[in-house]
Amino acid sequence: GAGVSQSPSNKVTEKGKDVELRCDPISGHTALYWYRQSLGQGLEFLIYFQGNSAPDKSGLPSDRFSAERTGGSVSTLTIQRTQQEDSAVYLCASSLAGRGFLNSPLHFGNGTRLTVT
Amino acid sequence: AQKITQTQPGMFVQEKEAVTLDCTYDTSDQSYGLFWYKQPSSGEMIFLIYQGSYDEQNATEGRYSLNFQKARKSANLVISASQLGDSAMYFCAMKNAGKSTFGDGTTLTVKP
Repeated sequence: GAGVSQSPSNKVTEKGKDVELRCDPISGHTALYWYRQSLGQGLEFLIYFQGNSAPDKSGLPSDRFSAERTGGSVSTLTIQRTQQEDSAVYLCASSLAGRGFLNSPLHFGNGTRLTVT
Repeated sequence: AQKITQTQPGMFVQEKEAVTLDCTYDTSDQSYGLFWYKQPSSGEMIFLIYQGSYDEQNATEGRYSLNFQKARKSANLVISASQLGDSAMYFCAMKNAGKSTFGDGTTLTVKP
């Protein structure tokens, strides 16, 4: 398919373990975002990648959270030493950049539902 | 800093009636884009409508229209002829040179 792909769709982990969440954006979309959404709540911004620029990490809640984007495409969000409060749906989105950036909507993946027990 | 405010946590509307979902924004940028997304209970995020900061006409997409009042910094979504399938959470969002910022959402329930 041509949409944003996230894996895994569901992840159950024990408190204290590390997890990696993967996002494969739409081909040609150089802007990539990670958000976190708790049940029935809004979207909490985590991190934003735009082309080769330094990412905007201002939304990462603690130093246990990190993300990278390899080759300007696939992104991985890593949560170390998971805590129960990390349980949420993690959404990835991509959009066009450059001249079309401001009018290009975000295309979202289906999310990864993380449960920390 | 950018901020999106949606003051209605929940709204009810009778089927076939129109409903307005409120959104105000705060930015010092001159160039920005405003978006509305729908999130049904299935969890997917669906793009509905876009308005550019320099657009003089209000955007329309089928039953959706965006009431853009730049001086008031508001971008309300109007859904005409509501349908049961419109029941969902609705998010207002703004894009500028930096990240894309979302409001807290409004849960819309359409009554038969």
